[in-house]
Amino acid sequence: GESVGLHLPTLSVQEGDNSIINCAYSNSASDYFIWYKQESGKGPQFIIDIRSNMDKRQGQRVTVLLNKTVKHLSLQIAATQPGDSAVYFCAENVAGGFKTIFGAGTRLFVKA
Amino acid sequence: AAGVIQSPRHLIKEKRETATLKCYPIPRHDTVYWYQQGPGQDPQFLISFYEKMQSDKGSIPDRFSAQQFSDYHSELNMSSLELGDSALYFCASSTRDRIYEQYFGPGTRLTVT
Repeated sequence: GESVGLHLPTLSVQEGDNSIINCAYSNSASDYFIWYKQESGKGPQFIIDIRSNMDKRQGQRVTVLLNKTVKHLSLQIAATQPGDSAVYFCAENVAGGFKTIFGAGTRLFVKA
Repeated sequence: AAGVIQSPRHLIKEKRETATLKCYPIPRHDTVYWYQQGPGQDPQFLISFYEKMQSDKGSIPDRFSAQQFSDYHSELNMSSLELGDSALYFCASSTRDRIYEQYFGPGTRLTVT
């Protein structure tokens, strides 16, 4: 992506453990940050979003944290399950625009 | 629940040929997006439409064009195909007020030989 990237290309966790996937961004004008999950052979699936005026948002088993000071975004998955194995992308959207920029994905492996 | 429909799912073309990809958004979604994803890469935004008008443009080659029709379905037309156009092409849809919550179709795998 143009301005969004990830620290780690792969992450391997034990089933039941918590997973943390990190992402860095560079566009201060981005208004929304989004996490997508992509399973093999499928299109990306929306997980959760967070607006730039927030620093934390929780969903079902997932929490997204936003640190605007260091331009860092993370996705925490609680009690990781085998079905969570996929590639995870962070993405950003600039306020008022339709363009969504994806970062390089992180592949999550869940060991049973 | 109804999802985004894309056709065809697979397409094989030769260099310099043309291809047309179709996308049918989720009912009541008025915004459509096209992405290109190479092997092992992130989806690259190509173009988007809102209410049948182009709303934003990304790294779409001049050889490509797209439009959204009155029934909200969209078509991506690709001409003078090159080997480098081989990729997965995803269509996504959303409502205008939640453009950051996009629903993706299963993709069209285009192979140019």
